[in-house]
Amino acid sequence: TQLLEQSPQFLSIQEGENLTVYCNSSSVFSSLQWYRQEPGEGPVLLVTVVTGGEVKKLKRLTFQFGDARKDSSLHITAAQPGDTGLYLCAGARSNYQLIWGAGTKLIIKP
Amino acid sequence: EAGVTQFPSHSVIEKGQTVTLRCDPISGHDNLYWYRRVMGKEIKFLLHFVKESKQDESGMPNNRFLAERTGGTYSTLKVQPAELEDSGVYFCASSPPGRAGNTIYFGEGSWLTVV
Repeated sequence: TQLLEQSPQFLSIQEGENLTVYCNSSSVFSSLQWYRQEPGEGPVLLVTVVTGGEVKKLKRLTFQFGDARKDSSLHITAAQPGDTGLYLCAGARSNYQLIWGAGTKLIIKP
Repeated sequence: EAGVTQFPSHSVIEKGQTVTLRCDPISGHDNLYWYRRVMGKEIKFLLHFVKESKQDESGMPNNRFLAERTGGTYSTLKVQPAELEDSGVYFCASSPPGRAGNTIYFGEGSWLTVV
């Protein structure tokens, strides 16, 4: 049973379009983290959201944590080819464990 | 400052053989984690060290897996004997001492193929 459902699993769009990636769970997390992973490398932390309803922005990326701290979204505005990569969400439990989504493979075509 | 380093980066072994993966965390990071991703599945937690002590090993799949962290520095993860389903990428990560929620830094992973 996957505790953190991430969707879509794969997304291919044109440069300049907007997109949203979702992570949903029936479990409450103390925080929700978003990572980006490049081929041959480990995941790199983009942002951590902690408070229900929290919104964080990182340039063209907007991250939101649901009010109940069970779900989160990543919205990219005007996607660029440099945004291409694997995006992963991970829910943190207070015991240091991270529960991971399956990942969204994003391809931005020039 | 050096990041989390893992060795080997790739390993191909036969079923029944033994493989030992090594992880050197960032200097000063008391917390060390092992995660793995098998083909088609999400990344899953294996265990967590605080210094040399195993804080949480609830994710270790079975007794063929043994993790150690001698002296609270580097860590090894031994798989003996390896099975086909052990194939995947094994990530090591570390974080500074303190409360949960500190940024976790991942290594590049050790890709294991069991044939």
